[in-house]
Amino acid sequence: NAGVTQTPKFQVLKTGQSMTLQCAQDMNHNSMYWYRQDPGMGLRLIYYSASEGTTDKGEVPNGYNVSRLNKREFSLRLESAAPSQTSVYFCASSNRENTGELFFGEGSRLTVL
Amino acid sequence: AQSVSQHNHHVILSEAASLELGCNYSYGGTVNLFWYVQYPGQHLQLLLKYFSGDPLVKGIKGFEAEFIKSKFSFNLRKPSVQWSDTAEYFCAVALNFGNEKLTFGTGTRLTIIP
Repeated sequence: NAGVTQTPKFQVLKTGQSMTLQCAQDMNHNSMYWYRQDPGMGLRLIYYSASEGTTDKGEVPNGYNVSRLNKREFSLRLESAAPSQTSVYFCASSNRENTGELFFGEGSRLTVL
Repeated sequence: AQSVSQHNHHVILSEAASLELGCNYSYGGTVNLFWYVQYPGQHLQLLLKYFSGDPLVKGIKGFEAEFIKSKFSFNLRKPSVQWSDTAEYFCAVALNFGNEKLTFGTGTRLTIIP
């Protein structure tokens, strides 16, 4: 039972490079999220998708784009990476029947030099 | 917008000590409240949740939390901690039923000394 799978787990980028973080869930959940975790700041919501075909900005969306490709997949794209985007990124999913219970992926550690 | 405050940034305890981690939120309406735990090197997992009913909720691994509406608090407790409880603990709030968007606190790092 895979749950929420994120790739890659580690990535080093140079300033200005682009990359996409991939996320897939196999629990048939409607909602998916991207969070970033920074020391002393907890988790902050970047974008979320309440259902296939819809996306909304969270608390810190600047510098990111997302795509809800289908019900299973939700990708996060950095078009021009900046050092301030060095962080650990977590994808999560949930179902309305269990409101607030998020299932998290194992995280992607991104370093921007 | 709602916010969550966790005033204890790092707590160090000896095994068998009692634990209480503070969590306060700012929102006057109906909320759903959660505690998540992140063990070293792992992803976040749900520890316990409160939607309605009995304000004292029990979670996994002997943890419990009490919702005190008048104090806007949802403190996490455990009578006797173990070394394996070493982790980071996050309080989170969702505004109302059906809204899965969570706002997290900044987290409390708990270190248990054997």
